[in-house]
Amino acid sequence: EPEVTQTPSHQVTQMGQEVILRCVPISNHLYFYWYRQILGQKVEFLVSFYNNEISEKSEIFDDQFSVERPDGSNFTLKIRSTKLEDSAMYFCASLGRGSSYEQYFGPGTRLTVT
Amino acid sequence: QKEVEQNSGPLSVPEGAIASLNCTYSDRGSQSFFWYRQYSGKSPELIMSIYSNGDKEDGRFTAQLNKASQYVSLLIRDSQPSDSATYLCAVIRIGSARQLTFGSGTQLTVLP
Repeated sequence: EPEVTQTPSHQVTQMGQEVILRCVPISNHLYFYWYRQILGQKVEFLVSFYNNEISEKSEIFDDQFSVERPDGSNFTLKIRSTKLEDSAMYFCASLGRGSSYEQYFGPGTRLTVT
Repeated sequence: QKEVEQNSGPLSVPEGAIASLNCTYSDRGSQSFFWYRQYSGKSPELIMSIYSNGDKEDGRFTAQLNKASQYVSLLIRDSQPSDSATYLCAVIRIGSARQLTFGSGTQLTVLP
């Protein structure tokens, strides 16, 4: 069964460093999302991506964040200058075409900023 | 104002019982409703989707939607210890980029 994959599973970085989180969505899906979950808190939407551009972003997704689909398979989230409060689980999700709005999540990347 | 509200629990039920999980949402523009299961340290796993008023059954799970009351529920019949997890309610708004808005989840423990 197709699934969303994410790498790395755990990333430790120092404050101020840049990190890139990688996702491979389900191959025939068209809509891609990044969510984050700070420990003990709810899952929060960051950004959606469709047709090679951002379709919507939340207040969290400020100028230090960017997304890219550099090729036909990968979908990346870059955090330019990490802060302690960026420590969280980051989930990628994808959604196919059609009337079903069911999103499937990757296993997540745990980002720890020290 | 919270958009999606759930009782945080914990909710404990004995093995074999029915677990009932509830969710309310504030945005009347919400069009699609989902229940995800999340084990500790893992990603959300889709259990059920429901789009119209009424009940939808899938195996041991039944989702119920009442748009007039802005209420969604999930019933788990014959609960098993492996059902112990946090259950997340999520909605999609009409006209959005189909992103999910999540509640904070209800922690369910099924006691053997």
